[in-house]
Amino acid sequence: QVQLQESGPGLVKPSQTLSLTCTVSGGSIRSSSYYWSWIRQSAGKGLEWIGLIYSSGTTNYNPSLKSRVTLSVDTSKNQFSLKLSSLTAADTAVYYCARTRWGRNSSWYHYFDYWGQGTLVTVSS
Amino acid sequence: EIVMTQSPATLSVSPGERATLSCRASQSFSSTLAWYQQKPGQAPRLLIYGASTRATGIPARFSGSESGTEFTLTINSLQSEDFAVYYCQQYNNWPFTFGPGTKVDFK
Repeated sequence: QVQLQESGPGLVKPSQTLSLTCTVSGGSIRSSSYYWSWIRQSAGKGLEWIGLIYSSGTTNYNPSLKSRVTLSVDTSKNQFSLKLSSLTAADTAVYYCARTRWGRNSSWYHYFDYWGQGTLVTVSS
Repeated sequence: EIVMTQSPATLSVSPGERATLSCRASQSFSSTLAWYQQKPGQAPRLLIYGASTRATGIPARFSGSESGTEFTLTINSLQSEDFAVYYCQQYNNWPFTFGPGTKVDFK
């Protein structure tokens, strides 16, 4: 059974950069069937997809956050990471990492079949 | 960006009854929709993908359907563990987007 676990600081100051890591266990991050996503959830904006990364390092970002987001992957550690810069209070949210099943039948598909438990990040001075 | 809306915001149901949840998209697409269940303090859990295919381990009382731009999640014979918030998510276009959720609570 695959498991994902987020780690990182729970409190970050405004204007700083948030760094979170997701460790994958019970499966390989190199699997060709999956991308790896970050999703956040706040009271104000609900669930918001941030971006995804493939084991090769290929990425796709939500345009609303693209200028501030960087995703990276470390296949040797079975981990992928999120950096979000220029933080404001609006970035306060629970951040989830999620395995993203992808492929194509009649159309492309990308859905989130396993999620981490989430980590609350508060942006405050 | 495709905007997803869900109705109702809250649905009050008694155990054993049927719950019908609706999800609409701002653009037309077919099948590229998933449903998730979220309980307090937990991450969302995948229920349905491809609009109507149950994910592994999901009971048969959960079913999904689509008609035009409207997608429906039906929960037959609601069990106590089904009281939760349900979200739809489209993956037809980038960026992927979620609906605001429907809370299913006790009547």
